[in-house]
Amino acid sequence: GENVEQHPSTLSVQEGDSAVIKCTYSDSASNYFPWYKQELGKGPQLIIDIRSNVGEKKDQRIAVTLNKTAKHFSLHITETQPEDSAVYFCAASNVGRRALTFGSGTRLQVQP
Amino acid sequence: EPEVTQTPSHQVTQMGQEVILRCVPISNHLYFYWYRQILGQKVEFLVSFYNNEISEKSEIFDDQFSVERPDGSNFTLKIRSTKLEDSAMYFCASRGDNEKLFFGSGTQLSVL
Repeated sequence: GENVEQHPSTLSVQEGDSAVIKCTYSDSASNYFPWYKQELGKGPQLIIDIRSNVGEKKDQRIAVTLNKTAKHFSLHITETQPEDSAVYFCAASNVGRRALTFGSGTRLQVQP
Repeated sequence: EPEVTQTPSHQVTQMGQEVILRCVPISNHLYFYWYRQILGQKVEFLVSFYNNEISEKSEIFDDQFSVERPDGSNFTLKIRSTKLEDSAMYFCASRGDNEKLFFGSGTQLSVL
């Protein structure tokens, strides 16, 4: 089955700096890669996703890049704000065939 | 904005007791899921459900677990005889025709 590795496990940045979280996946058949933000006591919230037919996608301050050859994808958050502090999970799946497999999470702390 | 709702938010039970966790997926969604998250760990897939039957399940989802869609709106997870290691946050999720998966806020299950 799919295995998703995520790092770093914790990341502390100063407000206004950029944050980058990286994930690798094992199943070359995976074709969908979402990122979720989880705040304390809440469920994961989808913040951005990318399909394997594109290499990059951007939505305001967040962007995701995908390298299919290397089987890795990354989340980039620019101009970080204290409200970006949360746990971020990457995930991968082969849509229509298998459910999402999650990475182990990155606790992002944005220092004001 | 439509959302997945879960009840109860917290459930405390004695080891060996049966519990039923309830979910109301987003109304026009067709695919339903249960995931769980042990404190501080990654989100783990349990089961997916489509067209009134299980479409995929993980090795966690053994004979003690069952799912049901008893009517047009609810989706339930039953644990027949709870064990201490079943203590976790259980998330229901749903999606429509596309790949975007939306999660509820979870039920924190504590088995004593």
